[in-house]
Amino acid sequence: GEEVAQTPKHLVRGEGQKAKLYCAPIKGHSYVFWYQQVLKNEFKFLISFQNENVFDETGMPKERFSAKCLPNSPCSLEIQATKLEDSAVYFCASSQFGPGNTIYFGEGSWLTVV
Amino acid sequence: GEDVEQSLFLSVREGDSSVINCTYTDSSSTYLYWYKQEPGAGLQLLTYIFSNMDMKQDQRLTVLLNKKDKHLSLRIADTQTGDSAIYFCAESEPGTYKYIFGTGTRLKVLA
Repeated sequence: GEEVAQTPKHLVRGEGQKAKLYCAPIKGHSYVFWYQQVLKNEFKFLISFQNENVFDETGMPKERFSAKCLPNSPCSLEIQATKLEDSAVYFCASSQFGPGNTIYFGEGSWLTVV
Repeated sequence: GEDVEQSLFLSVREGDSSVINCTYTDSSSTYLYWYKQEPGAGLQLLTYIFSNMDMKQDQRLTVLLNKKDKHLSLRIADTQTGDSAIYFCAESEPGTYKYIFGTGTRLKVLA
Protein backbone atom coordinates (compact mmCIF):
# COMPACT_ATOMS: atom_id res chain seq x y z
CA GLY A 1 0.00 0.00 0.00
CA GLU A 2 0.92 3.64 -0.23
CA GLU A 3 0.69 4.27 3.48
CA VAL A 4 1.59 2.55 6.71
CA ALA A 5 -1.56 0.82 7.90
CA GLN A 6 -2.05 0.15 11.59
CA THR A 7 -4.79 -1.83 13.28
CA PRO A 8 -6.66 -1.56 15.50
CA LYS A 9 -7.01 2.19 15.79
CA HIS A 10 -8.22 1.87 19.37
CA LEU A 11 -7.80 -0.99 21.85
CA VAL A 12 -8.96 -1.23 25.45
CA ARG A 13 -7.55 -3.91 27.70
CA GLY A 14 -7.97 -4.75 31.35
CA GLU A 15 -4.82 -4.77 33.38
CA GLY A 16 -3.10 -8.14 32.95
CA GLN A 17 -4.64 -8.87 29.57
CA LYS A 18 -2.68 -9.25 26.35
CA ALA A 19 -2.64 -6.60 23.66
CA LYS A 20 -1.57 -7.15 20.07
CA LEU A 21 -1.11 -4.44 17.50
CA TYR A 22 -0.55 -4.82 13.78
CA CYS A 23 1.26 -2.85 11.12
CA ALA A 24 1.49 -3.18 7.36
CA PRO A 25 4.42 -1.11 6.06
CA ILE A 26 4.40 0.76 2.78
CA LYS A 27 4.86 -1.69 -0.07
CA GLY A 28 8.52 -1.99 -0.97
CA HIS A 29 9.78 -0.68 2.35
CA SER A 30 12.29 -2.95 4.02
CA TYR A 31 12.48 -1.29 7.42
CA VAL A 32 9.78 -1.18 10.06
CA PHE A 33 9.85 0.68 13.36
CA TRP A 34 7.71 0.88 16.44
CA TYR A 35 7.48 3.99 18.61
CA GLN A 36 5.49 4.60 21.75
CA GLN A 37 3.99 8.01 22.41
CA VAL A 38 3.03 8.55 26.02
CA LEU A 39 1.51 11.49 27.85
CA LYS A 40 3.09 14.89 27.21
CA ASN A 41 3.83 13.80 23.65
CA GLU A 42 7.04 11.99 24.51
CA PHE A 43 8.11 9.55 21.82
CA LYS A 44 10.08 6.47 22.71
CA PHE A 45 11.76 4.24 20.14
CA LEU A 46 10.99 0.59 20.78
CA ILE A 47 12.33 -1.62 18.01
CA SER A 48 13.20 -1.70 14.32
CA PHE A 49 13.26 -4.48 11.73
CA GLN A 50 15.04 -4.97 8.44
CA ASN A 51 12.64 -7.26 6.64
CA GLU A 52 11.96 -10.03 9.16
CA ASN A 53 15.16 -9.51 11.12
CA VAL A 54 15.44 -7.41 14.24
CA PHE A 55 17.66 -4.41 13.42
CA ASP A 56 17.67 -2.56 16.72
CA GLU A 57 15.76 -3.60 19.83
CA THR A 58 17.48 -1.39 22.34
CA GLY A 59 14.26 0.42 23.18
CA MET A 60 12.17 -2.63 23.89
CA PRO A 61 11.26 -3.30 27.51
CA LYS A 62 12.91 -6.55 28.52
CA GLU A 63 9.74 -8.08 29.81
CA ARG A 64 6.24 -8.37 28.40
CA PHE A 65 6.94 -6.70 25.03
CA SER A 66 7.68 -8.65 21.86
CA ALA A 67 7.52 -7.87 18.16
CA LYS A 68 7.71 -9.77 14.90
CA CYS A 69 7.81 -9.08 11.19
CA LEU A 70 7.18 -12.32 9.34
CA PRO A 71 7.17 -12.71 5.55
CA ASN A 72 3.80 -12.11 3.90
CA SER A 73 2.20 -11.04 7.19
CA PRO A 74 1.64 -7.73 8.93
CA CYS A 75 4.23 -6.88 11.56
CA SER A 76 3.01 -7.14 15.12
CA LEU A 77 3.75 -5.70 18.54
CA GLU A 78 2.49 -7.74 21.47
CA ILE A 79 2.29 -6.76 25.10
CA GLN A 80 1.73 -9.56 27.59
CA ALA A 81 0.09 -8.83 30.94
CA THR A 82 -0.54 -5.16 30.21
CA LYS A 83 -0.04 -2.55 32.89
CA LEU A 84 -1.65 0.84 33.30
CA GLU A 85 1.59 2.55 32.22
CA ASP A 86 1.42 0.76 28.85
CA SER A 87 -1.43 3.10 27.91
CA ALA A 88 -0.08 5.06 24.98
CA VAL A 89 -0.31 5.52 21.25
CA TYR A 90 1.87 3.02 19.43
CA PHE A 91 3.15 4.22 16.10
CA CYS A 92 4.51 2.03 13.37
CA ALA A 93 6.71 3.52 10.67
CA SER A 94 8.49 2.22 7.61
CA SER A 95 11.34 3.23 5.37
CA GLN A 96 12.64 2.01 2.05
CA PHE A 97 16.37 2.21 2.61
CA GLY A 98 18.97 2.11 5.31
CA PRO A 99 19.69 4.40 8.27
CA GLY A 100 19.40 8.07 7.55
CA ASN A 101 16.52 7.61 5.17
CA THR A 102 13.19 9.23 5.88
CA ILE A 103 10.65 7.14 7.71
CA TYR A 104 6.90 7.42 7.28
CA PHE A 105 4.51 6.93 10.14
CA GLY A 106 1.15 5.26 10.40
CA GLU A 107 -1.76 6.84 12.21
CA GLY A 108 -1.09 4.96 15.40
CA SER A 109 -2.91 2.49 17.60
CA TRP A 110 -4.31 3.94 20.81
CA LEU A 111 -3.99 1.43 23.66
CA THR A 112 -5.86 2.12 26.87
CA VAL A 113 -5.26 -0.18 29.82
CA VAL A 114 -7.93 0.05 32.50
CA GLY B 1 22.73 11.80 25.68
CA GLU B 2 20.59 13.34 23.02
CA ASP B 3 17.94 15.85 23.91
CA VAL B 4 15.75 17.82 21.55
CA GLU B 5 13.91 20.80 22.98
CA GLN B 6 11.05 22.92 21.74
CA SER B 7 8.85 25.57 23.26
CA LEU B 8 5.49 24.08 24.23
CA PHE B 9 3.04 26.58 22.81
CA LEU B 10 2.76 29.13 20.04
CA SER B 11 -0.25 31.23 19.17
CA VAL B 12 -0.50 33.30 15.99
CA ARG B 13 -3.19 35.09 14.04
CA GLU B 14 -4.40 33.75 10.72
CA GLY B 15 -2.32 35.15 7.89
CA ASP B 16 0.71 35.84 10.06
CA SER B 17 3.93 33.84 9.90
CA SER B 18 4.68 31.20 12.52
CA VAL B 19 8.18 30.31 13.60
CA ILE B 20 8.70 27.14 15.58
CA ASN B 21 12.11 26.62 17.11
CA CYS B 22 14.04 23.53 18.08
CA THR B 23 17.43 22.92 19.66
CA TYR B 24 19.21 19.63 19.47
CA THR B 25 22.38 18.24 20.96
CA ASP B 26 23.77 15.59 18.61
CA SER B 27 25.95 17.42 16.12
CA SER B 28 26.51 14.23 14.12
CA SER B 29 22.86 13.97 13.07
CA THR B 30 22.66 13.71 9.32
CA TYR B 31 19.01 14.60 8.85
CA LEU B 32 16.63 16.78 10.81
CA TYR B 33 12.89 16.53 10.36
CA TRP B 34 9.69 18.38 11.01
CA TYR B 35 6.51 16.40 11.60
CA LYS B 36 2.95 17.60 12.13
CA GLN B 37 0.46 15.81 14.35
CA GLU B 38 -3.19 16.78 14.28
CA PRO B 39 -5.49 15.72 17.15
CA GLY B 40 -6.02 11.98 17.17
CA ALA B 41 -3.92 11.50 14.06
CA GLY B 42 -0.50 10.15 13.20
CA LEU B 43 2.66 11.96 12.33
CA GLN B 44 2.76 13.65 8.98
CA LEU B 45 6.19 14.32 7.56
CA LEU B 46 6.32 17.98 6.57
CA THR B 47 9.88 18.44 5.49
CA TYR B 48 13.43 17.52 6.32
CA ILE B 49 16.85 19.05 5.89
CA PHE B 50 20.21 17.45 5.38
CA SER B 51 22.81 18.58 7.86
CA ASN B 52 25.04 20.18 5.24
CA MET B 53 22.28 22.61 4.25
CA ASP B 54 21.46 25.94 5.86
CA MET B 55 18.02 26.44 4.46
CA LYS B 56 15.30 24.59 2.65
CA GLN B 57 12.11 26.07 1.27
CA ASP B 58 9.02 24.11 0.33
CA GLN B 59 5.98 26.20 -0.58
CA ARG B 60 4.86 27.91 2.66
CA LEU B 61 7.49 26.14 4.73
CA THR B 62 11.03 27.36 5.31
CA VAL B 63 13.50 25.39 7.37
CA LEU B 64 16.59 27.09 8.74
CA LEU B 65 19.47 25.16 10.23
CA ASN B 66 22.24 26.69 12.32
CA LYS B 67 24.67 23.86 12.94
CA LYS B 68 26.99 25.95 15.07
CA ASP B 69 24.21 26.68 17.56
CA LYS B 70 22.42 23.36 16.92
CA HIS B 71 19.25 25.28 16.21
CA LEU B 72 16.54 24.35 13.77
CA SER B 73 13.49 26.40 12.92
CA LEU B 74 10.35 25.96 10.86
CA ARG B 75 8.67 29.00 9.44
CA ILE B 76 5.12 28.72 8.14
CA ALA B 77 4.13 31.63 5.95
CA ASP B 78 0.51 32.84 5.79
CA THR B 79 -0.54 30.55 8.63
CA GLN B 80 -4.02 29.11 8.28
CA THR B 81 -6.43 27.61 10.83
CA GLY B 82 -5.72 24.21 9.29
CA ASP B 83 -2.12 24.57 10.43
CA SER B 84 -3.22 24.25 14.06
CA ALA B 85 -1.50 21.10 15.31
CA ILE B 86 1.49 19.90 17.28
CA TYR B 87 4.79 20.21 15.46
CA PHE B 88 7.68 17.92 16.28
CA CYS B 89 11.26 18.30 15.25
CA ALA B 90 13.34 15.15 15.18
CA GLU B 91 16.93 14.21 14.58
CA SER B 92 18.09 10.86 13.32
CA GLU B 93 20.77 9.10 15.28
CA PRO B 94 23.56 8.34 12.80
CA GLY B 95 23.87 4.72 11.80
CA THR B 96 20.55 3.77 13.32
CA TYR B 97 16.94 4.44 12.68
CA LYS B 98 16.33 5.97 16.05
CA TYR B 99 14.63 9.29 15.78
CA ILE B 100 15.02 11.57 18.75
CA PHE B 101 11.87 13.64 18.91
CA GLY B 102 11.44 17.02 20.46
CA THR B 103 8.76 17.68 23.00
CA GLY B 104 6.43 19.14 20.40
CA THR B 105 5.12 22.69 19.94
CA ARG B 106 1.37 23.16 19.98
CA LEU B 107 0.51 25.79 17.37
CA LYS B 108 -2.82 27.53 17.74
CA VAL B 109 -3.98 29.72 14.88
CA LEU B 110 -6.52 32.36 15.80
CA ALA B 111 -9.05 33.41 13.18
